[in-house]
Amino acid sequence: DQQVKQNSPSLSVQEGRISILNCDYTNSMFDYFLWYKKYPAEGPTFLISISSIKDKNEDGRFTVFLNKSAKHLSLHIVPSQPGDSAVYFCAASEGGATNKLIFGTGTLLAVQP
Amino acid sequence: DAGITQSPRHKVTETGTPVTLRCHQTENHRYMYWYRQDPGHGLRLIHYSYGVKDTDKGEVSDGYSVSRSKTEDFLLTLESATSSQTSVYFCAISPGPGEGSYEQYFGPGTRLTVT
Repeated sequence: DQQVKQNSPSLSVQEGRISILNCDYTNSMFDYFLWYKKYPAEGPTFLISISSIKDKNEDGRFTVFLNKSAKHLSLHIVPSQPGDSAVYFCAASEGGATNKLIFGTGTLLAVQP
Repeated sequence: DAGITQSPRHKVTETGTPVTLRCHQTENHRYMYWYRQDPGHGLRLIHYSYGVKDTDKGEVSDGYSVSRSKTEDFLLTLESATSSQTSVYFCAISPGPGEGSYEQYFGPGTRLTVT
């Protein structure tokens, strides 16, 4: 049972345009959401996060939107750059003492020059 | 970057042999985690630790054990490796929600092949 779903295995966009990566979740107890970026042969790196009490968080070119009623979050990258080409994972946490994260299956973003 | 190293980075082993992977951190973070990454599954939690000698199971813990005898080291052991344990293994660390952070920081990974 996949609690965090990334239904698009891959996405291709042109350099300078907007990239939108989507993530859906089923567990209403999740209250913290994160996005990670992963290059081949490297570990995932933390990108941006959002608490369930917010609906938007922005950090430079990266913005995460949270729609709790739809159990949906998205990551916007504007403008997209070739160096953004990587696998993006969304993750969710119920919080609490364990701090366990549940990850989606990832979306491979290719930014074409 | 958080100070996390994993060893070995690559290993090929035979079915039935024991294997131990090591995660070492220099950040003095309380929480440490072991994940495996497989195509179509993303990252799945194997075991985690919330302090020295304090560990618990994740969602895919069968066939794995862990130990944490000091803050900086978290060991993952495959008692008798099987081909289904061929994967890329990542260690992660976190200061924990008590420090106001849910972010986890990952090591470079260990690619394990069981033949």
